[in-house]
Amino acid sequence: DGGITQSPKYLFRKEGQNVTLSCEQNLNHDAMYWYRQDPGQGLRLIYYSQIVNDFQKGDIAEGYSVSREKKESFPLTVTSAQKNPTAFYLCASSEPGQGDKDTQYFGPGTRLTVL
Amino acid sequence: AQSVTQLDSQVPVFEEAPVELRCNYSSSVSVYLFWYVQYPNQGLQLLLKYLSGSTLVKGINGFEAEFNKSQTSFHLRKPSVHISDTAEYFCAVSFNSGGYQKVTFGTGTKLQVIP
Repeated sequence: DGGITQSPKYLFRKEGQNVTLSCEQNLNHDAMYWYRQDPGQGLRLIYYSQIVNDFQKGDIAEGYSVSREKKESFPLTVTSAQKNPTAFYLCASSEPGQGDKDTQYFGPGTRLTVL
Repeated sequence: AQSVTQLDSQVPVFEEAPVELRCNYSSSVSVYLFWYVQYPNQGLQLLLKYLSGSTLVKGINGFEAEFNKSQTSFHLRKPSVHISDTAEYFCAVSFNSGGYQKVTFGTGTKLQVIP
C-alpha cells in the first residue's frame, strides 16, 4: 500500500538534546512538508521541499533543520535551539501542480515530549 | 494575506442529529478548499476537496461541503452523525504563493457526538 510513515510514534527528549524525526513516503511525490501541531493552533508549517536536494523554510523554522537527499525521505531534526519543542509533528507529501495534484497527504505523526 | 477561520472550537451534537461545521476564508486570489479529519493521536485524513466545478462536494463518511464564493465559505455538513464521527475537523485553503502551493489550515473544530 502507498502511504507515508513516520517514526517513532512517541519520542522523549531531555533538554539540550537534538532529536531526529523520520518521514518516509512511497507515493512517488516530489513535495514533502513538516508541520507542527499545538492544541488550539491548528497546523503550522516548519519546512517544505519541492524537490530532492532543495528545501525552504516555512513559518516557524527556527530551531529546526531538514535534509532531502532522497525523494522518499524528509527527516526533521529538532535542535536544542528550539525553545518549546513539545508538540505533535506531522509530515505530509503532495505532487506539485495544479488542482488535484496539490492535495497533501499526511503521515500518522510523532508526538515529541521534552522532559 | 490568505486566512482561514473556523469560528467554532467545539461542537457537541446528539447522535443521529445533523451537524454543520463552519469555515470561512479570506483570499485575494483563487483557492482550493479542503476538509480534513483527525482522530486522537493520528494524522490528518482527507475528507473532501473543492478544486473547481460543482460547488457541492461530497466526501467520505457521508460528509459534504458547499463552496460559496460570495460568502467566502466552505461549510461542512452531515445529515446524521454517528459516534464514530467524534474527531477534530480542519478546514484548509491552498493557493499559489511564488510558484509554491501554500496551504493554510484553520484552528480546528472538535466534534463531540453525544450518545
